[in-house]
Amino acid sequence: SSELTQDPAVSVALGQTVRITCQGDSLRSYYASWYQQKPGQAPVLVIYGKNNRPSGIPDRFSGSSSGNTASLTITGAQAEDEADYYCNSRDSSGNLVFGGGTKLTVL
Amino acid sequence: QVQLQQWGAGLLKPSETLSLTCAVYGGSFSGYYWSWIRQPPGKGLEWIGEINHSGSTNYNPSLKSRVTISVDTSKNQFSLKLSSVTAADTAVYYCARGLIVVVPAAISRSYNWFDPWGQGTLVTVSS
Repeated sequence: SSELTQDPAVSVALGQTVRITCQGDSLRSYYASWYQQKPGQAPVLVIYGKNNRPSGIPDRFSGSSSGNTASLTITGAQAEDEADYYCNSRDSSGNLVFGGGTKLTVL
Repeated sequence: QVQLQQWGAGLLKPSETLSLTCAVYGGSFSGYYWSWIRQPPGKGLEWIGEINHSGSTNYNPSLKSRVTISVDTSKNQFSLKLSSVTAADTAVYYCARGLIVVVPAAISRSYNWFDPWGQGTLVTVSS
């Protein structure tokens, strides 16, 4: 079982804002990174650190953190944002770990 | 632009050893941790382990007894071996470049990331 907990599924209406969360005690000390994975493709990094986007990631993706919860926010969700999203950080022992993933549906 | 290309056997029998290799093109091999991550069909991601250019490794405790990750800096390649495989090891295996940024707690929080990823290799374990 993962020490990072994510909601299994979230939905958002086209053009609206959605927040995907990741909870874990280690997130009090570490920022999460976030990955988008579309069917049949490798994951892609979308957010890392406090709130950094790799080159090519739209600015509608943002990250935040409070206490033991990290959040990925998509402001103005697009149809192409429909995907699985995974958070990643370290567990209490310092080992790298992923959350269970959140399936985002854009309605 | 860094690219990772991976290869290896896709069909194994129980008790055999999984062997995959990942080549790094277009970027520095040093300064990063090079990881293996897997994803069983329909399930989430699981970090397997990592190695840096000098050969220092870290492994997922749940797999540590069966995993060996090695590096060949002359070829900018790193490899995964997983012994005594069972059906539970059936998964898509990814290689990825990783970076760990350690920040003093008094200033901020540390973080890590994986980017880019290899294309993935489906490994099926079946008798």
